[in-house]
Amino acid sequence: DQQVKQNSPSLSVQEGRISILNCDYTNSMFDYFLWYKKYPAEGPTFLISISSIKDKNEDGRFTVFLNKSAKHLSLHIVPSQPGDSAVYFCAASEWRGQNFVFGPGTRLSVLP
Amino acid sequence: DAGVTQSPTHLIKTRGQQVTLRCSPKSGHDTVSWYQQALGQGPQFIFQYYEEEERQRGNFPDRFSGHQFPNYSSELNVNALLLGDSALYLCASSLAGDRGSYEQYFGPGTRLTVT
Repeated sequence: DQQVKQNSPSLSVQEGRISILNCDYTNSMFDYFLWYKKYPAEGPTFLISISSIKDKNEDGRFTVFLNKSAKHLSLHIVPSQPGDSAVYFCAASEWRGQNFVFGPGTRLSVLP
Repeated sequence: DAGVTQSPTHLIKTRGQQVTLRCSPKSGHDTVSWYQQALGQGPQFIFQYYEEEERQRGNFPDRFSGHQFPNYSSELNVNALLLGDSALYLCASSLAGDRGSYEQYFGPGTRLTVT
């Protein structure tokens, strides 16, 4: 039973356009959500987070949206750059400090 | 400021053997979590150590054990290795308590291959 789902294994976007990565979860107790980016041969790198008291968090080109009623969050990257090409993981936890449950990841390719 | 470091980078073991993986947390961090990432999947939580004790544990058998030292570094031990234990093992560090953040910083991982 996958508590965090990323239904798109891969996504290709043209440079300069918007990338939208989606994540769905089943556990209504999840309170914190994070996005990580992973390049080959490196560990995941923290990108952006959101807590359940918010519905949007923005950091530069990255914005995460949370829809608690739909148990859905999305990561928007605008504008997309070739350096954004990586695997993106969505992760969730029930409370601060608890372990995170990760989705299977979405491989983003930004084409020049 | 050193980030999270892990050793070794790669490891090849035979079924039935035992393995020890090591992790040094990011400077200032006191909590270490271990994850297993199988090919094509997201990291799966194994356990978390804080104040030299296992604080949380995921759905992994007792063959997986760990330790945290007074300097906050940590070891992951796996006994009686199975072919299915082949994976990338990731260590993540964070700062516990009210001062802390839920953001975890990951190391580059140890690639374990069991033959």
